[in-house]
Amino acid sequence: EEQVVESGGDWVQAGGSLRLSCAASGFDFKTTWMSWVRQAPGKGLEWVADIKYVGREEFYVDSVKGRFTISRDNAKNSLYLQMNSLRAEDTATYYCVRDKGYGNFDPWGQGTLVIVSS
Amino acid sequence: QSALTQPASVSGSPGQSIAISCTGTSSDVGGYNFVSWYQHYPGKAPKVIIYDVSKRPSGVSDRFSGSKSGNTASLTISGLRAEDEADYYCCSYAGHSFYVFGFGTRVTVL
Repeated sequence: EEQVVESGGDWVQAGGSLRLSCAASGFDFKTTWMSWVRQAPGKGLEWVADIKYVGREEFYVDSVKGRFTISRDNAKNSLYLQMNSLRAEDTATYYCVRDKGYGNFDPWGQGTLVIVSS
Repeated sequence: QSALTQPASVSGSPGQSIAISCTGTSSDVGGYNFVSWYQHYPGKAPKVIIYDVSKRPSGVSDRFSGSKSGNTASLTISGLRAEDEADYYCCSYAGHSFYVFGFGTRVTVL
């Protein structure tokens, strides 16, 4: 079964940092693009960042550029999101997703909740 | 990177068909045949129900269908059922490995 499990969400003060992790299983992680998508309370889904299966190609939504860094460890089938200079508007449930091709995001995990207090 | 426009809510009676629109620009929806749709029950993991505008993943009911015309994509749910009551989001490729989601539509079965 293809599966992703996110972890690392927590309460943090504005200006602080947090590192999210995602453990993938059931598919060939090292050959697939991966993304982070978030959902703020009461709001819709927002694509945050993605990373190519190998190399250093990373892309970010403008609102997190320069503050967030997506990375991966193919040997551990793991995806990460380092979040620095956190703001109240970063409060959201963060989902790790596999990109099967041009936005065919599957599977999704249950997400991990980040709360940034101002 | 503006969110795609979806109606906030759509409702229908059991057995009816409903359509949810998703309007973007020539830089996203209109520029690529890479629109996907997600069904999301609050508190659960979202699920892809349509990808590449009109393709259905294995196991997804054929009551769900997708289409696109110009800068607007649509999701149609036929034979509406109580279990279809959920939030639905469209997503479009926007070039250069960027993606944009819609604001989301709450479907209510009357």
